[in-house]
Amino acid sequence: DQQVKQNSPSLSVQEGRISILNCDYTNSMFDYFLWYKKYPAEGPTFLISISSIKDKNEDGRFTVFLNKSAKHLSLHIVPSQPGDSAVYFCAALRSNDYKLSFGAGTTVTVRA
Amino acid sequence: NAGVTQTPKFRVLKTGQSMTLLCAQDMNHEYMYWYRQDPGMGLRLIHYSVGEGTTAKGEVPDGYNVSRLKKQNFLLGLESAAPSQTSVYFCASSYTRGGYTFGSGTRLTVV
Repeated sequence: DQQVKQNSPSLSVQEGRISILNCDYTNSMFDYFLWYKKYPAEGPTFLISISSIKDKNEDGRFTVFLNKSAKHLSLHIVPSQPGDSAVYFCAALRSNDYKLSFGAGTTVTVRA
Repeated sequence: NAGVTQTPKFRVLKTGQSMTLLCAQDMNHEYMYWYRQDPGMGLRLIHYSVGEGTTAKGEVPDGYNVSRLKKQNFLLGLESAAPSQTSVYFCASSYTRGGYTFGSGTRLTVV
């Protein structure tokens, strides 16, 4: 039973526009959330994270929003660039744990 | 700086054969993990280790064994490979919550 869900397997967006990736979770014990980015034939790399005590975290073009009451988080990429074309994984950690639970991933394609 | 190195990168096995995947990290991380990635399933934890000499089961441990005899190495073994074990395997290490560094993966096909 997946506790972290990414219901959109793919997203296509025009270069320069906003990409919005969504993630839902079911376990209320999760208190730290992360996004990883993965290119083909490479391992995932850390992108951005957010603690449950916050509702927003920004890093350059990337912003993560957390809505605890809805058990929902989203990743905004503004503006989207061709190099952003990759698979994005949402991941979550329970309090006092260090093992990440991952979603199924969303493949983002940025069109020129 | 190598980070996390996985060998081999590709392998084709026949059903029933055995093999060992090697993961080596040079960051002195305490925690190490083996995940498998399958289409539509994301990354699922197979086994993990919280330090040298320790191992524990993850979400999908059946058919796999692991060993961590040295802090820098984490081995994943398949004793009798099955087609259901066709997947991409990722090793990762961390020293803190969420601070994972992943290897580049091993693509395994069992025929």
